[in-house]
Amino acid sequence: NAGVTQTPKFRILKIGQSMTLQCTQDMNHNYMYWYRQDPGMGLKLIYYSVGAGITDKGEVPNGYNVSRSTTEDFPLRLELAAPSQTSVYFCASSIRPISGNTIYFGEGSWLTVV
Amino acid sequence: GENVEQHPSTLSVQEGDSAVIKCTYSDSASNYFPWYKQELGKRPQLIIDIRSNVGEKKDQRIAVTLNKTAKHFSLHITETQPEDSAVYFCAASSPGGPSTGNQFYFGTGTSLTVIP
Repeated sequence: NAGVTQTPKFRILKIGQSMTLQCTQDMNHNYMYWYRQDPGMGLKLIYYSVGAGITDKGEVPNGYNVSRSTTEDFPLRLELAAPSQTSVYFCASSIRPISGNTIYFGEGSWLTVV
Repeated sequence: GENVEQHPSTLSVQEGDSAVIKCTYSDSASNYFPWYKQELGKRPQLIIDIRSNVGEKKDQRIAVTLNKTAKHFSLHITETQPEDSAVYFCAASSPGGPSTGNQFYFGTGTSLTVIP
């Protein structure tokens, strides 16, 4: 049981390039999330998904896209990278809640846009 | 939506002393309050959580208290050790619905330094 796995761990992008951050979980969690964490700041929700085929915007969705074709995978796509997207990205998942359940994070992806 | 505020942003304590971090939330529907510890360069990891039907929960040197009326909850670390040095995040979560799911709203973090 690997939990939440993200790749790549580190990436340097040039302005205007595109890339996809991969995320997969093997806990059969319905809910998946993408957060970004800027230096010294908290976690901001980019996109989330409550199940396969369903995605929705979080607090800071501009410049990103997601898809959820399977329960396990939730990739995050950056179409035209900008320096403002330099951040640490965390994928996370949680079980379908009845009265709240904890969220499990991947190890993070450090992205630098130059 | 929910708004979670966390204080202080930085905290330094002597080894062996206690540390207290406080969070407030705005949405009375929030019913689950986890605390995460994030070491430098690592992922946030759950250290303790509390649900709204409980006022206090302890796990060895760590405790969390919840005041639903005042909408605040606190993390207490006793007998602090250098390995407790990290950034701590609080979060509040509400059940949401089938289409929105349970949303987690995070505080901005507290950088705790335990001085040997």
